[in-house]
This record gives sequence, C-alpha cells and structure tokens, in this order.
Amino acid sequence: EAQVTQNPRYLITVTGKKLTVTCSQNMNHEYMSWYRQDPGLGLRQIYYSMNVEVTDKGDVPEGYKVSRKEKRNFPLILESPSPNQTSLYFCASSFLPFDRGDRNPPYGYTFGSGTRLTVV
Amino acid sequence: AQSVSQHNHHVILSEAASLELGCNYSYGGTVNLFWYVQYPGQHLQLLLKYFSGDPLVKGIKGFEAEFIKSKFSFNLRKPSVQWSDTAEYFCAVNPFGAGKSTFGDGTTLTVKP
Repeated sequence: EAQVTQNPRYLITVTGKKLTVTCSQNMNHEYMSWYRQDPGLGLRQIYYSMNVEVTDKGDVPEGYKVSRKEKRNFPLILESPSPNQTSLYFCASSFLPFDRGDRNPPYGYTFGSGTRLTVV
Repeated sequence: AQSVSQHNHHVILSEAASLELGCNYSYGGTVNLFWYVQYPGQHLQLLLKYFSGDPLVKGIKGFEAEFIKSKFSFNLRKPSVQWSDTAEYFCAVNPFGAGKSTFGDGTTLTVKP
C-alpha cells in the first residue's frame, strides 16, 4: 500500500530532551516536507526536500533540523524541544514534475497520519 | 512571499445544500493550486489540484474548483453536500519554480443531517 509512515503517533517529552520523529514513504517520491498544525494557524511548513541531500527551510524552521540521506526517509529532529513546539506534525511527500524545470512545486501531497507532540 | 486567504472560518450547512468555499492567494507569477480535506481525527487528503489548462477542475467525492486568474481565486464547490462532508478544508498554493508550499488557515464545514 502506498503510504507515508510517521512514528511515533503520540509523544510526550520534557523540555530540552532531543527527539526525532521519523517519516518514511514507499512511493519513490522526490519531494518530502514537514508541517506543523496549530489551532487557528492552519498548516505551516517547517522544512522541505526536493531530493536526496537537498533540504530547504519553510516558514517556521527555527528549532528544527532535518536530513535527507535516503530518498524514502525524512526525519524531523528537535535538538532541544521547548513547550512552544507542542503541536501536531505532519510529514508529506510528492512527485515533482521534472519536465517543467529544475525546481518545481510538487504534485499533490500524500500525508502521513500525524505525530502529536507535547513538550512539558 | 505567497499567502493564502480562506475567508470563511466556519460554514454550517444542511444536507443537500450547495457549498462554495472561498480561497484567494497573493502571488504575481504562475502557481499550482490545491484543495485538501481533513476529516475529524485524520490526516489531510488531496481533493483536487490545478496546474494548467481548463480552469474548472473536478476532484473526488463530487467536488470541483474554478481557477479565476484575474481574481487570484480558487473557490471550492459542491452542488449538494452530505453529512459525511463534515471536515476541515484547506486551500494551498505552490508557486511555479519553488518548492515552498503555503496553506490557508482552513475552513471548518459542518453539515447538519
């Protein structure tokens, strides 16, 4: 089944304790992205990756790191989590229309099921 | 930078009523446009997308959207809603040539049986 798999689904942690949220897709998508969803703010993009070893900042990258060593995986790392990073996180992936140039917007996203993170 | 505005934060309709959700974006160049739906407790799913060509696009579950370039709008429509359409709807824009995506704040649709 084609899907984006995030783990864990739920996580409660303490301020300052490093954590990683994993994301893996089995559709051979070039593009992967992380979003956070907060009430009244919709989805805000944290980081995205157009391909292996290529990552760029989204709108709210502060306090987060990502890596893209393999095409299928795109982990989100919080080196020192703080309470304002309590949120619902979604990973998403997509094909890119490479026939339209070097840097292209993705086709529609496939989203993961989400990770609800609470930092106390 | 691009931005997306969804004017209706919460829409309440009765079953069989017609639906139109507004979406306006600000960006001067070519864009790709999307509507996503998020059912309660679930992740977002793609409803429909516009890249080029016919500005009236049809998606899943009877939804359609019309791209009006002169108005920078991409409104979502459905002729007759069902109780199962109760969900949150997000409009999103991707400028051509950029990997950065922007979502609107979402519109919550409640359909009363």
